[in-house]
Amino acid sequence: SQELEQSPQSLIVQEGKNLTINCTSSKTLYGLYWYKQKYGEGLIFLMMLQKGGEEKSHEKITAKLDEKKQQSSLHITASQPSHAGIYLCGADIPGGSQGNLIFGKGTKLSVKP
Amino acid sequence: DTGVSQNPRHKITKRGQNVTFRCDPISEHNRLYWYRQTLGQGPEFLTYFQNEAQLEKSRLLSDRFSAERPKGSFSTLEIQRTEQGDSAMYLCASSLALDSNEKLFFGSGTQLSVL
Repeated sequence: SQELEQSPQSLIVQEGKNLTINCTSSKTLYGLYWYKQKYGEGLIFLMMLQKGGEEKSHEKITAKLDEKKQQSSLHITASQPSHAGIYLCGADIPGGSQGNLIFGKGTKLSVKP
Repeated sequence: DTGVSQNPRHKITKRGQNVTFRCDPISEHNRLYWYRQTLGQGPEFLTYFQNEAQLEKSRLLSDRFSAERPKGSFSTLEIQRTEQGDSAMYLCASSLALDSNEKLFFGSGTQLSVL
């Protein structure tokens, strides 16, 4: 079965610093999603990647999918306290129905003002 | 439309009791999903509906769990004879299935605590 491993598990950065979160799959990724979750809340969609080498940006967040489609990274530039939360990567399951996603365990980000 | 709505936000129950959660998806979305999330873990898929039809159920969905979406709009998730292991956040999501780029919109979840 496919598994997603996220690193690091948690991260504390000073406001203004850049950071990167990684998501590694045991199998080829056919659809990779990044979500953000505040503690005790639902998930907020950030970005979706499908093609090898694809890169998308929204405001100060950039997500990339490597050429082999087994690893994705999420990069935040000039972090702000509003970026704090849990970042989750999710992936389509090959052969599974659309919307049936597997998720990593998440990376908890804290931003110190 | 304010997004996916879930009720209640929190539920505390005693072991053995039945509980029911409700999810109201985004109005034009034809697909609805239930996920379960425990502390420190990512969400795990439970089941999904396309309109009123329940098309897939995870092995995580034991016989004590039942989900319905009778009119293809809101959905309910019922857990009978709750156990302490059922304590988790139950998340609902909806989507508009148009093509392979399917984006799920999640609700804020129902936090269940079984004492």
